Amino acid sequence: QSVVTQPPSASGTPGQRVTISCSGSRVNIGGSTVNWYRHLPGTAPKLLIYNSNQRPSGVPDRFSGSKSGTSASLAISGLQSEDEGVYFCAAFDDSLNGPVFGGGTTLTVL
Amino acid sequence: QVQLQQWGAGLLKPSETLSLTCVVDGGSLGAYYWTWIRQPPGKGLEWIGEVSYYGSTNYNPSLENRVTISLDSPKPQFSLNLTSVTAADSGIYYCARFLGAAPPDVWGQGTQVTVSS
Repeated sequence: QSVVTQPPSASGTPGQRVTISCSGSRVNIGGSTVNWYRHLPGTAPKLLIYNSNQRPSGVPDRFSGSKSGTSASLAISGLQSEDEGVYFCAAFDDSLNGPVFGGGTTLTVL
Repeated sequence: QVQLQQWGAGLLKPSETLSLTCVVDGGSLGAYYWTWIRQPPGKGLEWIGEVSYYGSTNYNPSLENRVTISLDSPKPQFSLNLTSVTAADSGIYYCARFLGAAPPDVWGQGTQVTVSS
């Protein structure tokens, strides 16, 4: 359904490092910066990473982002129980002339 | 810290017009693009369209014949109107902000919209 693809789920134990991937194409991730968000039900999505690898102030350095070609990744190290939630990526799409979004990955801390 | 506070009717009948407003709390409209995004039940996020700080608009081609997004300046707020709604327009609607050709950075909390007879 989504133009940009993410795995539907990911999991890890406290203290572990998990990575969530985001795959697109030349017209979106390949030619744009990528943002990552955490979204809890009933709340506004929170920006975790912008410009593919930059953290807004207040976001712990446990969160990091990277991009290569038409794919991007979000890494969370030192996993904590409060990291649970839905994580999704976004990029600007040149063919749509607007943003496109990943379908979201539900992270579970075991 | 800019926050977006959104409001509007959440229950509509088919053929009615969906109207939502988003207030920019703690900031101004200047230099940004202001957008609406929706998520139908069980589906991914879909960009609806945007209005720039100087009033130009850009819409998703799949919706452009039914959608209007406008600024309500001098108030720091913007609005969405979507005409002739059907059940397929049900979902959570979000307002958001972005700067140029980049994804949004600030989002509203979302408004549940249900279209039902």
